[in-house]
Amino acid sequence: GAGVSQSPSNKVTEKGKDVELRCDPISGHTALYWYRQSLGQGLEFLIYFQGNSAPDKSGLPSDRFSAERTGGSVSTLTIQRTQQEDSAVYLCASSLEVREKLFFGSGTQLSVL
Amino acid sequence: DAKTTQPNSMESNEEEPVHLPCNHSTISGTDYIHWYRQLPSQGPEYVIHGLTSNVNNRMASLAIAEDRKSSTLILHRATLRDAAVYYCILTSGGSNYKLTFGKGTLLTVNP
Repeated sequence: GAGVSQSPSNKVTEKGKDVELRCDPISGHTALYWYRQSLGQGLEFLIYFQGNSAPDKSGLPSDRFSAERTGGSVSTLTIQRTQQEDSAVYLCASSLEVREKLFFGSGTQLSVL
Repeated sequence: DAKTTQPNSMESNEEEPVHLPCNHSTISGTDYIHWYRQLPSQGPEYVIHGLTSNVNNRMASLAIAEDRKSSTLILHRATLRDAAVYYCILTSGGSNYKLTFGKGTLLTVNP
């Protein structure tokens, strides 16, 4: 079946612009995660959605970052007024539920000029 | 959160076994040991996980020390496609909530 799909695969934007990154999780997966990976670094947790519960936003680095998950499926990560330090690969993952293995998408490479 | 320690890099030859070590001396009784790997330009991929007993699947084997303070991921016959960064991660009670990925071990496989 289809895996986790992320779009766009690459995004180049100018400093100060807003961007939206999309994640389509595997159908039926109740848990959805966003991570960020800067060049040569490990993955940094950003936000976690589980079913209809309130998301855990504790990993979001600033109030310029927000995310939503509509209908328990598709998720959008929005970065407002992008800065150069926001440049990274943004990875989305989903799992059947929180104790099951994660399936990752291929990520969105964001470059802020 | 309990922390893991892995070598920064390892090298292997194709078709030879590879043993990737992970130390987790502060592991608690309810922590599961997970391994993921990340191939170039891809998101991480689940490899294997275990709690106390050794585990085998089609990708690899996981050997867990009796005191659980260390574990070893075993690739029985390395292929060029196994070249990746391998992450050893502890999950509290098996929950994936807020997984902490360190820098992992970069495995190079020589032809």
